Amino acid sequence: GQQLNQSPQSMFIQEGEDVSMNCTSSSIFNTWLWYKQDPGEGPVLLIALYKAGELTSNGRLTAQFGITRKDSFLNISASIPSDVGIYFCAGQPSGGSNYKLTFGKGTLLTVNP
Amino acid sequence: SAVISQKPSRDICQRGTSLTIQCQVDSQVTMMFWYRQQPGQSLTLIATANQGSEATYESGFVIDKFPISRPNLTFSTLTVSNLSPEDSSIYLCSVEGTGFLEEQYFGPGTRLTVT
Repeated sequence: GQQLNQSPQSMFIQEGEDVSMNCTSSSIFNTWLWYKQDPGEGPVLLIALYKAGELTSNGRLTAQFGITRKDSFLNISASIPSDVGIYFCAGQPSGGSNYKLTFGKGTLLTVNP
Repeated sequence: SAVISQKPSRDICQRGTSLTIQCQVDSQVTMMFWYRQQPGQSLTLIATANQGSEATYESGFVIDKFPISRPNLTFSTLTVSNLSPEDSSIYLCSVEGTGFLEEQYFGPGTRLTVT
């Protein structure tokens, strides 16, 4: 099946620093989504991207749909302690059905105050 | 986005028994999805459950092990049968978005530990 390569696997940063993480695929995706999961909770949708080249912001978060449709990145600016969590990319592959999503393995973000 | 609740939030079960997880949505949705998240891992789709039809299972998941019911447009259950320690995971339900169907919104999850 489709696989997403998400990196980095984990990040340890100081409060106030900017963060960048990305996902790549060997095949084309129609949709890219970014989720955050806090401990003991379900993933929460942060940003959804639908067009190649699309750049979308949600507060301090910015995500882009790669022009090749095979990658996406998420940036977090001026990180704060509540940004701690696991960030997942997810995508709907081209030619996929029933709106099924494929998830990356996640990026564990730790923010030191 | 829809508000999704799951019951139970967590459970400890003995091997060989079964656990049924409920997923309730505060609005009518066509598609509901069930995922498994093994410890420290990503989300893996178990099946898609549409009201009025049989659930569609992903490769590696079978109905005998993970029977699903979808009696109406706001409710679904997932049963994990004949439990073994390898079934210890978080089980999550999700629903499609109301605007863009590609977006999925998740419940809080059910943490299952099998002893």
